[in-house]
Amino acid sequence: SQTIHQWPATLVQPVGSPLSLECTVEGTSNPNLYWYRQAAGRGLQLLFYSVGIGQISSEVPQNLSASRPQDRQFILSSKKLLLSDSGFYLCAWSSWFIENSPLHFGNGTRLTVT
Amino acid sequence: SQQGEEDPQALSIQEGENATMNCSYKTSINNLQWYRQNSGRGLVHLILIRSNEREKHSGRLRVTLDTSKKSSSLLITASRAADTASYFCATDRSTGTASKLTFGTGTRLQVTL
Repeated sequence: SQTIHQWPATLVQPVGSPLSLECTVEGTSNPNLYWYRQAAGRGLQLLFYSVGIGQISSEVPQNLSASRPQDRQFILSSKKLLLSDSGFYLCAWSSWFIENSPLHFGNGTRLTVT
Repeated sequence: SQQGEEDPQALSIQEGENATMNCSYKTSINNLQWYRQNSGRGLVHLILIRSNEREKHSGRLRVTLDTSKKSSSLLITASRAADTASYFCATDRSTGTASKLTFGTGTRLQVTL
């Protein structure tokens, strides 16, 4: 069966510090991968998605970047965090070969920028 | 901008009652999906309804879709305390293989004993 791992679960970082969040998927090949951010009391905002190694699409301009160095690894990064980067970050995957494949989410990383 | 908007924002019912949540959206869609989120956790997919479908059932869940009104509803019958969670609708506007879902702000459901 497929599983998705996301770490760390919580993170407190000072303004201006770098960020690296990692997500890995097991049990499937060539998944579509996504990073979403959820602000407190709000819905999810799609940040990045990837349909293959090295292929990154950005949905909104921001202080973050994403990379996919391996088929089942997705990394969210920032060189210098802003207070507004605080939030709940969720990684997800979907199947590329199933039409209308639902998203399967990790358990998220709660980031607090102080 | 948010594509889906859920109504109500919060709902409190007693165990055994039915819970109905509504979702409105603004543009044409390929499909609409409902997800559930327990506090502090990731989202779990519940059900998907395609744009050419009007109603779909899965266990105690019933989803309807009215594309002319750009709205959907999620009905949970015979609710249980374990149904306590936030529920989100998500619209799929993707044209390629990736599912570019746009989520609403969610309905927080509280089921009490």
